[in-house]
Amino acid sequence: GENVEQHPSTLSVQEGDSAVIKCTYSDSASNYFPWYKQELGKGPQLIIDIRSNVGEKKDQRIAVTLNKTAKHFSLHITETQPEDSAVYFCAATHQAAGNKLTFGGGTRVLVKP
Amino acid sequence: DAMVIQNPRYQVTQFGKPVTLSCSQTLNHNVMYWYQQKSSQAPKLLFHYYDKDFNNEADTPDNFQSRRPNTSFCFLDIRSPGLGDAAMYLCATSRLQGGGSPLHFGNGTRLTVT
Repeated sequence: GENVEQHPSTLSVQEGDSAVIKCTYSDSASNYFPWYKQELGKGPQLIIDIRSNVGEKKDQRIAVTLNKTAKHFSLHITETQPEDSAVYFCAATHQAAGNKLTFGGGTRVLVKP
Repeated sequence: DAMVIQNPRYQVTQFGKPVTLSCSQTLNHNVMYWYQQKSSQAPKLLFHYYDKDFNNEADTPDNFQSRRPNTSFCFLDIRSPGLGDAAMYLCATSRLQGGGSPLHFGNGTRLTVT
């Protein structure tokens, strides 16, 4: 089955700096890679996703890159703000898995004012 | 706004006393999921419904059951809660079962077992 590893487990950045979270996956058949942000006391919320036919996707201050050959994908947050503080989860799945997501272990991001 | 609503937000039950958690959605999505999330861990899929078809994960204990009486509602029943079942329970929906259809999560029910 799929295995997703996520690093780092905690990340502290100064407001305005960039944050990068990296994930690797094991199943070369995986073709959908979402990122979820979970704030304290809330459910995970999708912030960006990427499919295997695309190498990079941006949405304002958030970008995701995918390297299919190396089987890794990364989340980049630029100009971080205190409201970016949360736990971020990467995930991977493919159609044959019936949309069952395999999550990474999560990264707790703290943006210091 | 279309959304996934979980009630209650906090639930306290006694060891061995059955408890039911509820989830409703206004997204009209075909698929509904139940996840268990323990502190500082990723969500763990318990089971999901594709329309009325129930799909159980192999490692989900028999103590956990689910019902989906209609498209909008889904329930999680824990027949005999143990201390190890204390967790956040998350309901999610997606429009499709395959092809990377994004999940929409509710804000969860935090279950305490005393």
